[in-house]
Amino acid sequence: QKEVEQDPGPLSVPEGAIVSLNCTYSNSAFQYFMWYRQYSRKGPELLMYTYSSGNKEDGRFTAQVDKSSKYISLFIRDSQPSDSATYLCAMTLGTYKYIFGTGTRLKVLA
Amino acid sequence: NAGVTQTPKFQVLKTGQSMTLQCAQDMNHNSMYWYRQDPGMGLRLIYYSASEGTTDKGEVPNGYNVSRLNKREFSLRLESAAPSQTSVYFCASSEKGQGYGYTFGSGTRLTVV
Repeated sequence: QKEVEQDPGPLSVPEGAIVSLNCTYSNSAFQYFMWYRQYSRKGPELLMYTYSSGNKEDGRFTAQVDKSSKYISLFIRDSQPSDSATYLCAMTLGTYKYIFGTGTRLKVLA
Repeated sequence: NAGVTQTPKFQVLKTGQSMTLQCAQDMNHNSMYWYRQDPGMGLRLIYYSASEGTTDKGEVPNGYNVSRLNKREFSLRLESAAPSQTSVYFCASSEKGQGYGYTFGSGTRLTVV
C-alpha cells in the first residue's frame, strides 16, 4: 500500500463547477499537508499548505484536512479552463522529506 | 524572475555516459532538493541539502551524486547513465525546510538510450 493515494483521473468538469480533489494517506503522524498545481511540461507550484486538521481558504481554493479519517481535500469553486492541470497532494512529518501523491489530472471544459 | 533555474531543459544520453544537472536559486533559501517524476510513481526524492555544506540521501539515491556548491547552487550528477534513469528531474528549494512547501524549477527531461 502506498503511503499516499490519489485518484489519477482525468476528471472532466464544465466551467463554473465546484471541483473536489482528494488524497488518502496511511501514516497518522503526518502533520503538514500541501497542494501543488502542475501545468503540462512545467514544474509544480505550491497552491496551499495547512498544518494539522481544519480548513484553509484562499480565493477560490479551500484545503481541508481530516486527520481522523486520514483524508485531505482541495475544493475549487467557480472552476475555470485555466485551472486545467494536474493537482498533486503532498505531506510530511515535519522533516525535509515530503511524500507526494501521483496527481489528479483535471480538465475544465469551456 | 526570481525562482529556481535548471539547466539543461532537455538531454539525451547514451547508456554509460555521465552528465551533471545544474540548479540555482535566487531566493536565499537554505534547503534544496532533487526529485524525479515518473508516470504513475509521483515525485520521488533523490537527494536533499538541508543547508549549505550538508547533503543527505532521499528515497531513490542509487546511481546519483550531488554537490551543494554554495547556498545558491545544488547539482545532480549521473556517473554512468542507465535507461532506468530516463525521467523528468526537478530541483526545488525551501526557506524553512519543514512543511512550508517548495519552489520548484521547470525541470530537465532526460532520456537515456
